[in-house]
Amino acid sequence: EIVLTQSPGTLSLSPGERATLSCRASQSVSNSFLAWYQQKPGQAPRLLIYGASSRATGIPDRFSGSGSGTDFTLTISRLEPEDFAVYYCQHYEDSWWTFGQGTKVDIK
Amino acid sequence: EVQLVESGGGLVKPGGSLRLSCAASGFPFSTYSMTWVRQAPAKGLEWVSSISSSGKYIYYADAMKGRFTISRDNAKNSVYLQLNSLRAEDTAVYYCARLGRISIFGLIHDPFDIWGQGTMVTVSS
Repeated sequence: EIVLTQSPGTLSLSPGERATLSCRASQSVSNSFLAWYQQKPGQAPRLLIYGASSRATGIPDRFSGSGSGTDFTLTISRLEPEDFAVYYCQHYEDSWWTFGQGTKVDIK
Repeated sequence: EVQLVESGGGLVKPGGSLRLSCAASGFPFSTYSMTWVRQAPAKGLEWVSSISSSGKYIYYADAMKGRFTISRDNAKNSVYLQLNSLRAEDTAVYYCARLGRISIFGLIHDPFDIWGQGTMVTVSS
């Protein structure tokens, strides 16, 4: 089972700044089976990115995903007020799904 | 509108049982695999169980095997999660979600693309 470790635990930034979130896998992730989700307080998670770099339907282009192997990154190019939330990465393969522990992006 | 609506959560004593339901609408339910994910208070997301579109294939996280049972009724556009022998550590919001079945260059990706709003399960005496 692949274990995902996200860093940092909390990222304190101001609106307009760039956010870079990391997700490291304990083993190489094949076929870029890696997704990112956003969760705001009291809400269900929302799919942002799948296949490591493909944006889900309706996701603004300020969100981008990159990486391969064991190192993946979610970048928010310019933070909007509604982007302050918790972000999770997820590995999916062979009918098995695991999540990272999350990164909270809060307002500085 | 594509929608998932969970129900059935509540307060239950340790050792008790509960059946969660998830009603789907706005998409061809019988062609999608479905899943349950839970989130303990102030904690992260934890995958619980998934079921294929026909119900033939079922998968559980190791911690849930033997106590939880997933099922579906395609005629009712619904997926269910039976929770037995509940423990305090099962206290969580339980979300149902749809497996995306997204093709990239012929390879099928299965992130969770649609989520319900969740139903709270509290296990306490």
